[in-house]
Amino acid sequence: QVQLVQSGAEVKKPGSSVKVSCKASGGTFSSYVISWVRQAPGQGLEWMGGIIPIFGTANYAQKFQGRVTISADESTSTAYMELSSLRSEDTAVYYCARVAGVTTFYDAFDIWGQGTMVTVSS
Amino acid sequence: EIVMTQSPATLSVSPGERATLSCRASQSVSSNLAWYQQKPGQAPRLLIHGASTRATDIPARFSGSGSGTEFTLTISSLQSEDFAVYYCQQYNNWPFFGGGTKVEIK
Repeated sequence: QVQLVQSGAEVKKPGSSVKVSCKASGGTFSSYVISWVRQAPGQGLEWMGGIIPIFGTANYAQKFQGRVTISADESTSTAYMELSSLRSEDTAVYYCARVAGVTTFYDAFDIWGQGTMVTVSS
Repeated sequence: EIVMTQSPATLSVSPGERATLSCRASQSVSSNLAWYQQKPGQAPRLLIHGASTRATDIPARFSGSGSGTEFTLTISSLQSEDFAVYYCQQYNNWPFFGGGTKVEIK
């Protein structure tokens, strides 16, 4: 069974960038979309974008276009999400999640990472 | 952008009772609808996909129905471990989530 393990909590200054990793183990990595979903404290879930590692194709939610970069390293089965120009409103738990269908963005999220808390504070 | 609206925001239910949660899409999403359960401090867990198909290892007391713009998640007899927040999500287009329904103990 595939597991997704994320990097640890981060504290960042406003205006800086953060890069969160998501390592897959126990199954196929490259053929499935890895998406990133964030959750601000006490709030709901918000899709940021995703990548199909085998193609290197990333798509982003309009809200985050220009500020987020999602990448993947097939050799280590690891996906990354980098968010730049951080502001206090970016304080949230960031989750990676696998899309259930092969090479499609349009399916449910069947496997989730444990989440990474990113705190933006001066 | 497809807006997903969940109701009610909070549902108070006694253990053993039935819970019915609603999710409405601003335009048709066909059957491309999933439900998730989230407990405090945990990642969401997939319950239902394709509007009505239970995910692996999900108990039969969870059922989903609907298509188009109106969807329902029913928990037939609430167990203590079912008190949580539930989210719907459409994937007919770029994914969007509803605002969630908190199921609390009455």
